[in-house]
Amino acid sequence: DAGVIQSPRHEVTEMGQEVTLRCKPISGHDYLFWYRQTMMRGLELLIYFNNNVPIDDSGMPEDRFSAKMPNASFSTLKIQPSEPRDSAVYFCASSLDRWGTEAFFGQGTRLTVV
Amino acid sequence: TQLLEQSPQFLSIQEGENLTVYCNSSSVFSSLQWYRQEPGEGPVLLVTVVTGGEVKKLKRLTFQFGDARKDSSLHITAAQPGDTGLYLCAGEMEYGNKLVFGAGTILRVKS
Repeated sequence: DAGVIQSPRHEVTEMGQEVTLRCKPISGHDYLFWYRQTMMRGLELLIYFNNNVPIDDSGMPEDRFSAKMPNASFSTLKIQPSEPRDSAVYFCASSLDRWGTEAFFGQGTRLTVV
Repeated sequence: TQLLEQSPQFLSIQEGENLTVYCNSSSVFSSLQWYRQEPGEGPVLLVTVVTGGEVKKLKRLTFQFGDARKDSSLHITAAQPGDTGLYLCAGEMEYGNKLVFGAGTILRVKS
């Protein structure tokens, strides 16, 4: 298995534009997590899915952020409209179980909003 | 304020030295994980500790979970340049169904 695959690796966009980040989890993993990492706040959980259903989105910062998982092999995180303070590295991770088992992270998408 | 406080924030040492990284909280955790993250990559799990007082060894790395399950430490013996990276602890909260991460310790091992 190639691991968790995220695209794009880097994204530079202008303030106000829509940004869509993509994730392909490891096949057979029931849980998918979206995290955001910044120097100031470290690694923060935004939302997680179980069997394609969103379970906890309390970490999503604002209504500008939305996430979907239309099937077991694909998830998106959308920011509309984007703002400079959204600049961060966004990670997708998947696991067999919720917290106690290993979460496998993708390489991340570095988002810069100018 | 971080729920999990890691210290030190940054550590620069010479190859062959020993070091300890700490992860502290006032909250109790069901389990605690340690990850290592290299530049441009996602975190990779090193170990999970579950029982209070538990000690796990992974080659030159020794992990300990506090008796009260509120803190943990990572000790590296004879550090190598390949140990360089960001070390993150993450705790599964006993109540609240969340995994929270510490801010991390940046380790640099110079040859």
